[in-house]
Amino acid sequence: EDQVTQSPEALRLQEGESSSLNCSYTVSGLRGLFWYRQDPGKGPEFLFTLYSAGEEKEKERLKATLTKKESFLHITAPKPEDSATYLCAVHADQTGANNLFFGTGTRLTVIP
Amino acid sequence: EPEVTQTPSHQVTQMGQEVILRCVPISNHLYFYWYRQILGQKVEFLVSFYNNEISEKSEIFDDQFSVERPDGSNFTLKIRSTKLEDSAMYFCASSERDITHNEQFFGPGTRLTVL
Repeated sequence: EDQVTQSPEALRLQEGESSSLNCSYTVSGLRGLFWYRQDPGKGPEFLFTLYSAGEEKEKERLKATLTKKESFLHITAPKPEDSATYLCAVHADQTGANNLFFGTGTRLTVIP
Repeated sequence: EPEVTQTPSHQVTQMGQEVILRCVPISNHLYFYWYRQILGQKVEFLVSFYNNEISEKSEIFDDQFSVERPDGSNFTLKIRSTKLEDSAMYFCASSERDITHNEQFFGPGTRLTVL
């Protein structure tokens, strides 16, 4: 069973059409949930870390939230430059002391 | 803004050959990592390194792999005898302290192609 599941796999939005990406996790002893953005052929770019249920963080058009089972990345009024793959990763007692366990990502395309 | 750098950006090698992938982590960071991403698949942890020794490694990181910090700035991943299935993007990452409350910053990756 996957410990980190992201949905949808792919999402196409019109410019300005807000939506949410989901990351659900089943690991025990969550220490942190990380969101990264990855452009094609590039390394993951750090966006947010969330540590406890109820926590929220915002950056420009992005807002990340965390519950005890999942995290959402809300994208408000997206622009074409927000097109990328968004990766969720967890750091937990179950996954190891000092490494991240990644989901497969959501590939977002924003159409002008 | 400080960043993690990696060289080369693309490495092509023959099966059975040794390759060394190089990384320069962010200068004040103390923890270093290697991850890989096979085309179309998830990013997978290989190894973490702290205080000049491996602190953690995954099942993927078998005897064919080794890491080294040969000087104060470089961090290398060596694959002793490459296999076809080693073809992937390899990402180096670093963090200031352990990742309990510190994010990992990733480099741009080295694309390794094994023929």
